[in-house]
Amino acid sequence: DTGVSQDPRHKITKRGQNVTFRCDPISEHNRLYWYRQTLGQGPEFLTYFQNEAQLEKSRLLSDRFSAERPKGSFSTLEIQRTEQGDSAMYLCASSLKPRGVVNTEAFFGQGTRLTVV
Amino acid sequence: GNSVTQMEGPVTLSEEAFLTINCTYTATGYPSLFWYVQYPGEGLQLLLKATKADDKGSNKGFEATYRKETTSFHLEKGSVQVSDSAVYFCALSDDRGSTLGRLYFGRGTQLTVWP
Repeated sequence: DTGVSQDPRHKITKRGQNVTFRCDPISEHNRLYWYRQTLGQGPEFLTYFQNEAQLEKSRLLSDRFSAERPKGSFSTLEIQRTEQGDSAMYLCASSLKPRGVVNTEAFFGQGTRLTVV
Repeated sequence: GNSVTQMEGPVTLSEEAFLTINCTYTATGYPSLFWYVQYPGEGLQLLLKATKADDKGSNKGFEATYRKETTSFHLEKGSVQVSDSAVYFCALSDDRGSTLGRLYFGRGTQLTVWP
């Protein structure tokens, strides 16, 4: 078990460019979450997958944001036409949700820090 | 809806001092409560959790008790160390509602411990 892995750790991009982040969850974890954290704030929920199905999207996730989790394994988060306000730490978390068990622990990756210049 | 309100920092203490970080919550269902810690340059790590009222979570000398009557989950440690310097986040999740286990976080409290 190598934990949740995110790539890249840091990304600097020019305004208007597209960026894509990758998250590899802990093997066999069926739930995967994306959060965004800005300086001085707690993480804010963006979207959630159970296996390959995207079940919930936050209102924070504008049309420029898209996330996928093909085959229920790794996930990607793409931001199109980046804006300076997109600068933040993007966190991925995964958890295993067995049937009948509630509120299982989420494990977080180290995050991808995006800077839009 | 679900939300978490956390004591604002920063908190600065001397080594071996007593620590309390206050956390209160609002929830529509039956949440579990968590404290996560973020050390400099690292990701969020679960520090402790409690899944029902009156449960006490504990880890590494830290404790927090799930108080339904006061909707609180205050973090305490009797004697802090320099290595405890980090940002602490209170959070809740509720699988039994429509929110499917997503976490609701407080704003975080920066703790600095001086030798």
